Amino acid sequence: SQELEQSPQSLIVQEGKNLTINCTSSKTLYGLYWYKQKYGEGLIFLMMLQKGGEEKSHEKITAKLDEKKQQSSLHITASQPSHAGIYLCGADHNQGGKLIFGQGTELSVKP
Amino acid sequence: DAGVIQSPRHEVTEMGQEVTLRCKPISGHNSLFWYRQTMMRGLELLIYFNNNVPIDDSGMPEDRFSAKMPNASFSTLKIQPSEPRDSAVYFCASSGNNSPLHFGNGTRLTVT
Repeated sequence: SQELEQSPQSLIVQEGKNLTINCTSSKTLYGLYWYKQKYGEGLIFLMMLQKGGEEKSHEKITAKLDEKKQQSSLHITASQPSHAGIYLCGADHNQGGKLIFGQGTELSVKP
Repeated sequence: DAGVIQSPRHEVTEMGQEVTLRCKPISGHNSLFWYRQTMMRGLELLIYFNNNVPIDDSGMPEDRFSAKMPNASFSTLKIQPSEPRDSAVYFCASSGNNSPLHFGNGTRLTVT
């Protein structure tokens, strides 16, 4: 969706390195959701952000939403092969529950 | 919790045939969503229901596509007649109040 841009489209990192994926919305966000997808499988929910400036962490993954609620970042610390997959951000623009998704970022982690 | 259940996992059919995809949402969830995923267009929302009522079907590509939700535990997405450009992975997702979307494992549709 052009309403939601993710960058980079793909990323290859060495195991142990940190990385950041960005998600930018053309509209104010009522909620921003991060999902991970492995090939041939469904999307797995990672984190949900709703308040400007909010930051959440789970294990080695941290997600932030900027104060203006139009940009989010997903940061992985000390990446592992298990982090490999496609990361998608989903935006709730209407407070109606439906999500519009970015194109995804394909992450590969080299052992 | 069994999660969102979709069937079949794979469907191969010939152009012109009718295709029906099925979804059982998570019990207690009151919203259900159908998405389509392709390499070219990414993940697109086709239609979503709230309390079994279609709320937004603006993403349904053509009249060949239709979706129903006869009760809170079952939904179908039908394509008739199918065309090769309908080949994609179709996902169903459900959510409850203030909960994120939970996705099924998808149906990979191939139309030859």
